Amino acid sequence: KNEVEQSPQNLTAQEGEFITINCSYSVGISALHWLQQHPGGGIVSLFMLSSGKKKHGRLIATINIQEKHSSLHITASHPRDSAVYICAVTPNSGGSNYKLTFGKGTLLTVNP
Amino acid sequence: KAGVTQTPRYLIKTRGQQVTLSCSPISGHRSVSWYQQTPGQGLQFLFEYFSETQRNKGNFPGRFSGRQFSNSRSEMNVSTLELGDSALYLCASSLFPGGEETQYFGPGTRLLVL
Repeated sequence: KNEVEQSPQNLTAQEGEFITINCSYSVGISALHWLQQHPGGGIVSLFMLSSGKKKHGRLIATINIQEKHSSLHITASHPRDSAVYICAVTPNSGGSNYKLTFGKGTLLTVNP
Repeated sequence: KAGVTQTPRYLIKTRGQQVTLSCSPISGHRSVSWYQQTPGQGLQFLFEYFSETQRNKGNFPGRFSGRQFSNSRSEMNVSTLELGDSALYLCASSLFPGGEETQYFGPGTRLLVL
């Protein structure tokens, strides 16, 4: 079992819909990252959070440390949101011995 | 500020050869991490450098190595290339190491091993 599981693997939505992508992890963490990867490979860091909720524009990320779960929400989705969304965690190994661990990603397609 | 740059962007090699990839971090960033991305395994952590020292290493064979220079630029080297090394290699920089900083990714180097 992967340490980081994302669902769904694939998601197709109509423009304007509210979208939720989920991430569950099995280890103690010190931080969780949401990344966006467009076709061609470039990766952009959307959020880094260790508790609570963060919002940037139409994107909202939440994390529940006790339940080891995070969600990424996109309000009023747009075709330009089409991308792979990747969840990654920084395991709480203590000291400097960390290895950023990634989920397999969620492919989001937003149709006009 | 200029973003993270990686050279070359594309590379074709044959089995048994070696390859060196380069990464220039955002100015002022002293931590550089390297990642491998393949369709089968997804993104995997290779190693992290900070102040010219390797701080962490992922579960990759010794054929994968790297270094960081005093100007924070980093190189990674893969010796005795295998077909399975075909991948997108990404580097990311941050102000400090440890995975609790926002990572800024470069565009990647796409390596094809024939």
